[in-house]
Amino acid sequence: QQQVKQSPQSLIVQKGGISIINCAYENTAFDYFPWYQQFPGKGPALLIAIRPDVSEKKEGRFTISFNKSAKQFSLHIMDSQPGDSATYFCAASTQETSGSRLTFGEGTQLTVNP
Amino acid sequence: DGGITQSPKYLFRKEGQNVTLSCEQNLNHDAMYWYRQDPGQGLRLIYYSQIVNDFQKGDIAEGYSVSREKKESFPLTVTSAQKNPTAFYLCASRAGGPRETQYFGPGTRLLVL
Repeated sequence: QQQVKQSPQSLIVQKGGISIINCAYENTAFDYFPWYQQFPGKGPALLIAIRPDVSEKKEGRFTISFNKSAKQFSLHIMDSQPGDSATYFCAASTQETSGSRLTFGEGTQLTVNP
Repeated sequence: DGGITQSPKYLFRKEGQNVTLSCEQNLNHDAMYWYRQDPGQGLRLIYYSQIVNDFQKGDIAEGYSVSREKKESFPLTVTSAQKNPTAFYLCASRAGGPRETQYFGPGTRLLVL
């Protein structure tokens, strides 16, 4: 079964600090790696995404680092703010005969203390 | 406004009852998805549909059924065969390309009485 392993399960960071969430996968057919942010009681929203032919992508305070040989990727949140407190999911996409689908990690609950 | 709507926000099911969750999108997206979210388990794929009148089982399809009669609509029925239906259900849609983003609705929380 396709799996994406995410760690840590929960993370507490002080305001202004760096939050780092890691994900690992086995299936080399994955071809697109998005990160989603979810606030309580809401649907997830796309935060940032990366293709496997790129090693890093930065959008504002959010950066994805991608290591294709290690089959790992991570999300870095610089200058973390209390408003960043949410659950973060990594995901990986595959193309199957039946269409495109995402496999999600288990999620990381981030708390940024003021 | 373009987007995905799910209704109702909360739904209560009695033992032995089938219930249907609504998902509508006006984004003109081809693909639609249903996920189940339980605490600490991430999002698990129930069913997905790439085009009208076609759908595929995801990883946890047992006890659920879907239909895709219109491009805009992808309702999910939680049948009485689903013994543990209490969860947060999320619908998503995606435009046609392989790396296109999935956009999520606000979710429906299903509770068993």
